[in-house]
Amino acid sequence: DAMVIQNPRYQVTQFGKPVTLSCSQTLNHNVMYWYQQKSSQAPKLLFHYYDKDFNNEADTPDNFQSRRPNTSFCFLDIRSPGLGDAAMYLCATRKEGAVETQYFGPGTRLLVL
Amino acid sequence: GESVGLHLPTLSVQEGDNSIINCAYSNSASDYFIWYKQESGKGPQFIIDIRSNMDKRQGQRVTVLLNKTVKHLSLQIAATQPGDSAVYFCAENGVGGNQFYFGTGTSLTVIP
Repeated sequence: DAMVIQNPRYQVTQFGKPVTLSCSQTLNHNVMYWYQQKSSQAPKLLFHYYDKDFNNEADTPDNFQSRRPNTSFCFLDIRSPGLGDAAMYLCATRKEGAVETQYFGPGTRLLVL
Repeated sequence: GESVGLHLPTLSVQEGDNSIINCAYSNSASDYFIWYKQESGKGPQFIIDIRSNMDKRQGQRVTVLLNKTVKHLSLQIAATQPGDSAVYFCAENGVGGNQFYFGTGTSLTVIP
């Protein structure tokens, strides 16, 4: 059974048109992460939630926002996508306090036209 | 974010040989390290992890070595199989513990 689910798997948007990517988890993990991964590059951490507390990385552009309405769901909002935002977006979860790694979803590939 | 780098961007090995993938990390405060395998079109998959109070940890066909003196991490894969072909990333947790920063990645190709 899928534990970290990302929808959609592929998303096409237009330059400047807001887009939302979603992530849900069945693990009841308290920490959730969003990463951006461009072709042939490593995943880059954008931000994470520790419970309801939002933690932004210093170099994450303001164009990227996130919402976590409850433990299970987390959304990535890109307010005005540019061509440079085309990438794979990965969601991950982790149970803080346990010696456990992150569990990743399959990712959403975003194409900006 | 933290800086975690790899020495070799690509690695080709013969099936059945052992593979060694290296990683250098920059934050001496990191106390938890993970190796991930990522196949094309998929999210990273956990392989093995190690805490900074250890210098070696073994799993099934995989071993991670940690050298804190030189801030170096390696992943050894025994008897490499075609199914091991993927990109391998190391990651460190940096300061604070909840963030995870990835290294550059090494693309492993196993030649049958």
